[in-house]
Amino acid sequence: SYDLTQPPSASVSPGQTANMTCSGDRLGDTYASWYQQRPGQSPLLLIYQNNKRPSGIPERFSGSISGNTASLAISGTQSVDEADYFCQAWDTRSACVVFGGGTKLAVL
Amino acid sequence: QVQLQESGPGLVKPSQTLSLTCTVSGGSISTAGYFWSWIRQHPGRGLEWIGYIYSGGYTDYNPSLKRRVVISLHTSKNQFSLELNSMTAADTAVYFCARGYSSSWYHDSWGQGALVAVSS
Repeated sequence: SYDLTQPPSASVSPGQTANMTCSGDRLGDTYASWYQQRPGQSPLLLIYQNNKRPSGIPERFSGSISGNTASLAISGTQSVDEADYFCQAWDTRSACVVFGGGTKLAVL
Repeated sequence: QVQLQESGPGLVKPSQTLSLTCTVSGGSISTAGYFWSWIRQHPGRGLEWIGYIYSGGYTDYNPSLKRRVVISLHTSKNQFSLELNSMTAADTAVYFCARGYSSSWYHDSWGQGALVAVSS
């Protein structure tokens, strides 16, 4: 099966930049998207096509990709950014949607 | 802005079949270029894709669930549905429906989720 690997946790100080990664074989051959999920809520699309933001998502959220690793950065991190962050891609070989295990971000 | 809403039983007995419906408003389920997914989340865990259906009726499923899943479109009601048979306690989860954009494979709209518990 195809796996996307995310660190289970990350921490950042308020006002600093949080960086999260998502790695997978062949990730560079497809598009990565990123979602924020706060406790008790449904996921919210933050980034699509590796680095595009939907309307309404603040500019401090940004995405990038290098090789088979996608990254999500949150600049000027605020306490409201404490949440789980999931990456997602489509496996070109199995034609399946795949999610990473998620990174829980703590703003300390 | 399209909105999605899951509906169905909150409690299912072991070995029974789960049936959930997702009602779509603010947009047509028949619109080309989109697919419609079911995704679940076990308590305290990550997201697991169950399967999707295109407006033309093509489906694909997670290989780990493929033998137990059927996703259907109900275009006259602007709904799509999930059937998952042979339910066990391991299927206890929050079930989300979501709209996907087919050219780039992201989900831009999600339902609020439906908690389904499996217990006798």
